Amino acid sequence: AQRVTQPEKLLSVFKGAPVELKCNYSYSGSPELFWYVQYSRQRLQLLLRHISRESIKGFTADLNKGETSFHLKKPFAQEEDSAMYYCALMNYGGSQGNLIFGKGTKLSVKP
Amino acid sequence: NAGVTQTPKFQVLKTGQSMTLQCAQDMNHNSMYWYRQDPGMGLRLIYYSASEGTTDKGEVPNGYNVSRLNKREFSLRLESAAPSQTSVYFCASCPLGDSNEQFFGPGTRLTVL
Repeated sequence: AQRVTQPEKLLSVFKGAPVELKCNYSYSGSPELFWYVQYSRQRLQLLLRHISRESIKGFTADLNKGETSFHLKKPFAQEEDSAMYYCALMNYGGSQGNLIFGKGTKLSVKP
Repeated sequence: NAGVTQTPKFQVLKTGQSMTLQCAQDMNHNSMYWYRQDPGMGLRLIYYSASEGTTDKGEVPNGYNVSRLNKREFSLRLESAAPSQTSVYFCASCPLGDSNEQFFGPGTRLTVL
């Protein structure tokens, strides 16, 4: 079954420390993965997608098909990175594509 | 462009009451979605619509109905609200094909007493 797992509900780091938000997935086909972010009192928005292989706000994520992972990383966390982060998998099993979200990880960056 | 808009922003219902959450997008997207967000559960898909006139069930459709009125609008109806439906509801739209990025509305916070 298609599934996205984010093992950490809460991740707390100090400013300037590296951060890694974990995401593992289960999917029978070729996966298409995303990271979405929700800052306090803002709407959910796309942070990055694996096919773009881009770095947004200093964040990167590499798809590892062998480990079925798509971890989000940033070398030096900033206080403004504090937010809720969701990993999502594109599911083409139905009549169209729809996203399967993980349960989210709340990142708290302390000064 | 306003993007994805939702009304109302907040609503309190009594058990058994009905209501409709409205969603509209002005980005000419074909696909639209309704999610609910609960603490510790992430976002769960209620219903989605690939195009005008089509709808499909998601992960948690029980207790809800939807209408894709036209390309712009996708409404979610609770016929008989229950406390278990207390949640934050998000609407999203997506162009699909060219990009699979979903664009989200600001959410509706619903409390059922």
